[in-house]
Amino acid sequence: AQTVTQSQPEMSVQEAETVTLSCTYDTSESNYYLFWYKQPPSRQMILVIRQEAYKQQNATENRFSVNFQKAAKSFSLKISDSQLGDTAMYFCAFMMNRDDKIIFGKGTRLHILP
Amino acid sequence: DTAVSQTPKYLVTQMGNDKSIKCEQNLGHDTMYWYKQDSKKFLKIMFSYNNKELIINETVPNRFSPKSPDKAHLNLHINSLELGDSAVYFCASSRRENEKLFFGSGTQLSVL
Repeated sequence: AQTVTQSQPEMSVQEAETVTLSCTYDTSESNYYLFWYKQPPSRQMILVIRQEAYKQQNATENRFSVNFQKAAKSFSLKISDSQLGDTAMYFCAFMMNRDDKIIFGKGTRLHILP
Repeated sequence: DTAVSQTPKYLVTQMGNDKSIKCEQNLGHDTMYWYKQDSKKFLKIMFSYNNKELIINETVPNRFSPKSPDKAHLNLHINSLELGDSAVYFCASSRRENEKLFFGSGTQLSVL
């Protein structure tokens, strides 16, 4: 069975700093998708970034980028020039290519301090 | 032990039918939620229940009705299913309203 592990329950960084959130996963599949979701206090789930496993190039989305290490089954999220609005819960998630269901990690609560 | 469990995992049904998805959590949490995952993988919150009281009701059709017999259960009942209801529905729970979410494994609903 696929699992997703986020080892950092909570993190705090100063505004404008760079922060990296860790995520590891376990699967025997070769084709799959990985996601990072942001959940602000509104409880909505906002898709921050996605990565297809067959792509070697790391996905980037403005200040957000990932370090995808397929062999190590690692998928970390880097937030550059962090802003107060980045304060939220962040979920790492995995989805098999043939299946529409997403498996979530337990989340990392990120605090950006002024 | 599964913390948040949903049943069924897959549900295939005809348009116009009424169906229910069940959700149970054994974490002793006070708050439970239903999310809908759309085709672009966005997760949209549908409902939230805190100690059996509805505290969020986003703009969803009134064909969808959450039912919470007790704080460990939050079932989703859908009347007169439509093709556009096909999606994956996630149940989640948290100890209190603004605390970490624990997700169920999702229910893939296919309306034919």
